[in-house]
Amino acid sequence: AQSVAQPEDQVNVAEGNPLTVKCTYSVSGNPYLFWYVQYPNRGLQFLLKYITGDNLVKGSYGFEAEFNKSQTSFHLKKPSALVSDSALYFCAVRDGGSARQLTFGSGTQLTVLP
Amino acid sequence: DARVTQTPRHKVTEMGQEVTMRCQPILGHNTVFWYRQTMMQGLELLAYFRNRAPLDDSGMPKDRFSAEMPDATLATLKIQPSEPRDSAVYFCASGNGVYNSPLHFGNGTRLTVT
Repeated sequence: AQSVAQPEDQVNVAEGNPLTVKCTYSVSGNPYLFWYVQYPNRGLQFLLKYITGDNLVKGSYGFEAEFNKSQTSFHLKKPSALVSDSALYFCAVRDGGSARQLTFGSGTQLTVLP
Repeated sequence: DARVTQTPRHKVTEMGQEVTMRCQPILGHNTVFWYRQTMMQGLELLAYFRNRAPLDDSGMPKDRFSAEMPDATLATLKIQPSEPRDSAVYFCASGNGVYNSPLHFGNGTRLTVT
């Protein structure tokens, strides 16, 4: 079985401050991990992924994520938040050892305050 | 920039009516997914196609929903008869069939059933 959890429904951060959006996962095999962002009235857009290799993954718009195998986490981070980063963020996981499709988390609404 | 196209963007219909939503996947992509997004349930996978063949529609209410791919450039999701509880945003996504590659989402069809 595979699952993903986003423990925070809402994250608020001041513009210019670092941001973190949390994600933990559970898979039987090796995890394929993804972050997507959704702006109002739009579909999900791919931000970054971890498949293998370096635990720190860099993606679009200055975002990065850190894969931590021991904590089964894949938190999304950005050193300096922008108001335009305000959106709904989804973490997703696929078990690399199975044919199952992506499982999405419940989403975290990020609000960056000016 | 290649993108997934969904039509219509918005649909308001009365209970009992048939609703058809269409999706044009990215040219060359061989996997197509239908998701439903609601505030209460988040993102739910309804159906999944590979090379136009339905591989998983376990998330779809079989009595009223049907999904097809008449050809490689068109996927359809039909609801007959529609009910108020079907009100949601329906997303189509396509992929290149490689498990570690991201999905590309359309901008969705917002369905309101009155």
